[in-house]
Amino acid sequence: AQTVTQSQPEMSVQEAETVTLSCTYDTSESDYYLFWYKQPPSRQMILVIRQEAYKQQNATENRFSVNFQKAAKSFSLKISDSQLGDAAMYFCAYRDFTGTASKLTFGTGTRLQVTL
Amino acid sequence: NAGVTQTPKFQVLKTGQSMTLQCAQDMNHEYMSWYRQDPGMGLRLIHYSVGAGITDQGEVPNGYNVSRSTTEDFPLRLLSAAPSQTSVYFCASRRGPNQPQHFGDGTRLSIL
Repeated sequence: AQTVTQSQPEMSVQEAETVTLSCTYDTSESDYYLFWYKQPPSRQMILVIRQEAYKQQNATENRFSVNFQKAAKSFSLKISDSQLGDAAMYFCAYRDFTGTASKLTFGTGTRLQVTL
Repeated sequence: NAGVTQTPKFQVLKTGQSMTLQCAQDMNHEYMSWYRQDPGMGLRLIHYSVGAGITDQGEVPNGYNVSRSTTEDFPLRLLSAAPSQTSVYFCASRRGPNQPQHFGDGTRLSIL
């Protein structure tokens, strides 16, 4: 079974600085998706960024980028120019590329605090 | 667009009561799922559906039933509520197997 591990329960960053959230995963599949979701206090689950394992290029979305290391099974999220609105829980998630199952496997989350 | 709509947003039940959490989406998505979120844990899949009339169990299905009579609706039923089912429940949908997941705003359920 696939597992997703986030080893940082909490992180803190100053406004305008850069922070990196770590995620490792375990799978025997060669094709899969990886995601980072943001959950603010409003409880919504918001997709931040998505990476297809077959793509070597790291995904980027404005201030958010990933460092995808397939051999190491590592998928970290870098937030540049941090803003107060970035404060939230961040979840790393995995999904198989093929098959019909809707299952996303989530990590336990990292709470990000943004300070002035 | 409403997206994925969950009702109610909050609910308190007594042990042994039954209830249905509603989930509706207006995006014509085939895939729908129910997750629960507990403190210190990521979301865990309860049940999912890949189309009307088709449902299957996820990681933690015990104590829950689902049905999918229409593409739009995917209700989750608690048959006999237990304190261990106190959680936040999320419904999600997506168009196909390789499409992004859209989440509802969640239902916070407390069972006394």
